Amino acid sequence: GAGVSQSPSNKVTEKGKDVELRCDPISGHTALYWYRQSLGQGLEFLIYFQGNSAPDKSGLPSDRFSAERTGGSVSTLTIQRTQQEDSAVYLCASSHTTTGELFFGEGSRLTVL
Amino acid sequence: EDKVVQSPLSLVVHEGDTVTLNCSYEVTNFRSLLWYKQEKKAPTFLFMLTSSGIEKKSGRLSSILDKKELFSILNITATQTGDSAVYLCAVNNNAGNMLTFGGGTRLMVKP
Repeated sequence: GAGVSQSPSNKVTEKGKDVELRCDPISGHTALYWYRQSLGQGLEFLIYFQGNSAPDKSGLPSDRFSAERTGGSVSTLTIQRTQQEDSAVYLCASSHTTTGELFFGEGSRLTVL
Repeated sequence: EDKVVQSPLSLVVHEGDTVTLNCSYEVTNFRSLLWYKQEKKAPTFLFMLTSSGIEKKSGRLSSILDKKELFSILNITATQTGDSAVYLCAVNNNAGNMLTFGGGTRLMVKP
């Protein structure tokens, strides 16, 4: 696609529910990243995928968070048993190489009540 | 652990003013430093710097990197209300797996 596409743009859920956030990167980009941005804060790295290599999960805050990337393209970030502190904007980005600029999607705003 | 600190946290200026945003970093095996502008949701790329002392320029924006003192500055001259945004600085190390972001500088340009 023309840019990184994320869905849903907004998600309101109740504490304890599971949520799935989707990211469709720019076609041909092999690297895909998930970041989280809480209100007024900088970007916090969550997870990184590069081609067929094992993902770098070092930023995932707990085992309630997981992500997969199917067919080297679309990625899904899953948060199980959501907590209020999970409320944030979840940003996905892709890049052609690991050293180049990241292109960000518009983000998914998650609100956990 | 890589670390990026930006200053000031926020800044209010009037149109036509010149501003300088600061970014200092600590990173193992530095590879590059990037500046992004975030107006609403998606950060948009401004500059990538890899070498010391070479200014990158785009219109009224310019940036330079000092690898000895471990900092970068982003200058905006003749500011306009459309420059109002959060400016993010990030560094990439040689592992190349991720960008480490600073907390950002929120710039507000008043008419």
